[in-house]
Amino acid sequence: NAGVTQTPKFRILKIGQSMTLQCTQDMNHNYMYWYRQDPGMGLKLIYYSVGAGITDKGEVPNGYNVSRSTTEDFPLRLELAAPSQTSVYFCASRSLGGTEAFFGQGTRLTVV
Amino acid sequence: RKEVEQDPGPFNVPEGATVAFNCTYSNSASQSFFWYRQDCRKEPKLLMSVYSSGNEDGRFTAQLNRASQYISLLIRDSKLSDSATYLCVVNEGYKLSFGAGTTVTVRA
Repeated sequence: NAGVTQTPKFRILKIGQSMTLQCTQDMNHNYMYWYRQDPGMGLKLIYYSVGAGITDKGEVPNGYNVSRSTTEDFPLRLELAAPSQTSVYFCASRSLGGTEAFFGQGTRLTVV
Repeated sequence: RKEVEQDPGPFNVPEGATVAFNCTYSNSASQSFFWYRQDCRKEPKLLMSVYSSGNEDGRFTAQLNRASQYISLLIRDSKLSDSATYLCVVNEGYKLSFGAGTTVTVRA
């Protein structure tokens, strides 16, 4: 029972580099989300998707891109990494009409 | 104004004590409400949903006041294992909006 799987768990990037954070869920959930959490802060929504082929911006989308080509996968792309993107990134999924959101274990990203 | 605001605490209580804290939300059209628990450096996990009539789950009691737009969580007979950050979560259609969390530390 994998649930939501995120890779990598940790990453250090240099300023200006790019990377893709991977997220896969095996629960056939329609809704998927990317959040970032800065130290001592709540989760801020970056992007979300209500189904394959449909994505939309959250509160803090600048500097990020997403795609949702399948129900299972929702990768988050960072282009031109900046120190302000140092954070913990959580992917989550939820079923249509469901209450509980299931989270991956997070990706700890440091940009230096 | 933030969509979801919480008292950040920290609440530092002895074992066996009762601790309670609130959360306010700004969108009166919000549809459903939850409390999540987040342990240090871990992912959030659902603690309980919050219903209009109030609900209990063991030592945890959640209340919702739609008129005043606040949610509360009460923990009775605190255990060391209750030490965590409690996140107030509001469902607005597709979106889940999170509060910054209330930190609770239970000491022996």
